[in-house]
Parts: sequence; structure tokens; C-alpha cells
Amino acid sequence: GQQLNQSPQSMFIQEGEDVSMNCTSSSIFNTWLWYKQEPGEGPVLLIALYKAGELTSNGRLTAQFGITRKDSFLNISASIPSDVGIYFCAGQLISGTYKYIFGTGTRLKVLA
Amino acid sequence: NAGVTQTPKFQVLKTGQSMTLQCAQDMNHNSMYWYRQDPGMGLRLIYYSASEGTTDKGEVPNGYNVSRLNKREFSLRLESAAPSQTSVYFCASSEAHPYEQYFGPGTRLTVT
Repeated sequence: GQQLNQSPQSMFIQEGEDVSMNCTSSSIFNTWLWYKQEPGEGPVLLIALYKAGELTSNGRLTAQFGITRKDSFLNISASIPSDVGIYFCAGQLISGTYKYIFGTGTRLKVLA
Repeated sequence: NAGVTQTPKFQVLKTGQSMTLQCAQDMNHNSMYWYRQDPGMGLRLIYYSASEGTTDKGEVPNGYNVSRLNKREFSLRLESAAPSQTSVYFCASSEAHPYEQYFGPGTRLTVT
């Protein structure tokens, strides 16, 4: 079946640093969603992307829909301790449907 | 607005026991979903309900049944629990297009 490769799997960063993570696949996607999940909680939607090349920001978070439609990127600028959590992507396989494939997540740990 | 709520938050079952996980949303969404989350894997869809009165199997439906009780509520039933069903279960809902999915806080189920 289709797979989403998310990298890095985990990362430690210093407070104030910028963070980059990405999702790649051999499949083409129509929509990309980025979520954050904190321990013991459900995923929270951060950013949604709908068109190839689209760049969207939500505060210190910026995500991009790759031009090939096979990848997406999430950047966090000036990280703070509350950024700790697992970030994962979801790609919509078929336009206009509920069918999403979810990545396995990037675990972010911030060192104060 | 509470968004998506799930009960219970934690549950321990013995092999062969049955239980129902409850989910409700107050966002007036038509579509609702049940996912399971296992270590090292992305969220996997168990069942989906496009609208009240309809349900469809997802990627991993074996051992589960669902009921879309009304527009707000979507329940997941384990008739005879097995250790392989130990997981965290998430309910989600979305409106049609662009199918951005909003998740509940999860139910952590252990089957011994």
C-alpha cells in the first residue's frame, strides 16, 4: 500500500532554533494536512495545504505543498518549549474523498 | 464548543470481553471516522461514516463494528477483544471538502 515517509523520526533542538521536517512518498497527493500531537492527547490540525507549491503559515509554523505533489515540508521558527510533541503529516490520496495516509511522525524535543 | 469527545479515556479488557467506544461531535460535521494508533505506525482507518445512516470499512476493520447513531454520534464496538486490539483509538470528524479531519482526545485500550 501507499506509504508516507516522514523525517526525521525525532530531533532534539535548542530553544530558539528553527526546525524543519518533511514527508515524502512515491504517490501523488491532493491535499496535505499537518498535525501536532501532545502526550495523551489527540492530534490537533495545524495547517492544511491544497495546491502544489502552496506556502501557508500559522504563527511560527510554515508548511509547503511540494511542487511534485509527492512531498510536503513543515518549518517551525524560533522554537520554544511548548513546541514539544509529535508532528505528523497526512496526505489525501484521492481528491474529494476522506482517504488520507498518515505519516509516522517526527518527535520534537526542545532543550531549554 | 467541545469539538470531538470520546469516552472512556482508558479501558482495560480481558480477552474475549466486549465493549463500545463512544464518540460525539458538536461541529455539525457529516463525516466521522474511527482510527487506531500503534507505535511506529501512522494512524490507520478502521471505519468511516460519510453521513448519518452510512458506514464503510477502512483499512483495518476486522474485529470491529460501528454504529452511526445520529449525525453527532459514532460508536465503535469490539465484540470479542483480542490482545492485538491493544491500541489508542481516535475518533475524528470532517465536513465534506476539503475533508479536514478533527480528532478527539483518544481512548487508550489494553486487552490482556
